[in-house]
Amino acid sequence: AQSVTQLDSQVPVFEEAPVELRCNYSSSVSVYLFWYVQYPNQGLQLLLKYLSGSTLVKGINGFEAEFNKSQTSFHLRKPSVHISDTAEYFCAVSYPNTGNQFYFGTGTSLTVIP
Amino acid sequence: NAGVTQTPKFQVLKTGQSMTLQCAQDMNHEYMSWYRQDPGMGLRLIHYSVGAGITDQGEVPNGYNVSRSTTEDFPLRLLSAAPSQTSVYFCASSPRPGGETQYFGPGTRLLVL
Repeated sequence: AQSVTQLDSQVPVFEEAPVELRCNYSSSVSVYLFWYVQYPNQGLQLLLKYLSGSTLVKGINGFEAEFNKSQTSFHLRKPSVHISDTAEYFCAVSYPNTGNQFYFGTGTSLTVIP
Repeated sequence: NAGVTQTPKFQVLKTGQSMTLQCAQDMNHEYMSWYRQDPGMGLRLIHYSVGAGITDQGEVPNGYNVSRSTTEDFPLRLLSAAPSQTSVYFCASSPRPGGETQYFGPGTRLLVL
């Protein structure tokens, strides 16, 4: 079955420290990859996406992610986090050649500690 | 543009009651979808639509119905509510299916007693 795995359910990190949130997907066929952020009591907002081209993708709020086809990974990184980055982060995948569905990971709760 | 709107924001139902969660978008998007979000399970797709008059089932469709009579609206109907349907429901839309960014509504929090 097609799926997305987020390896860490909770990640605490000190303010101004770097962070990496891990995401792996299950298939090596053509994929589109996304990271969404959800602030408390809100809907999801797109952080960044990979459709094709450069494997390093830059998004909003200083986040970036790297698509690694051989390792089927799409890890999210930020070199220096802020208190305002505290939120739930979701990785998602879609398969443009095999259907219309998005598959979401179970989410990673990032807590930035002052 | 209002984007994706959902009503109501909160709802409490008794087991066996029915209700409709409303979703509307003003971006002329073809693709619309409904997800439920449960702790530790992320978002799971309930139903989706690739255009007016066309709907299909997602991962967890049982107990829910949808219709798409217009491009703008995509209501989700709970036929006979059960406690297992207690969840947060999100509607999303995108210009086209596949790799397009999905835009999410603010969610509806549903409690079934």
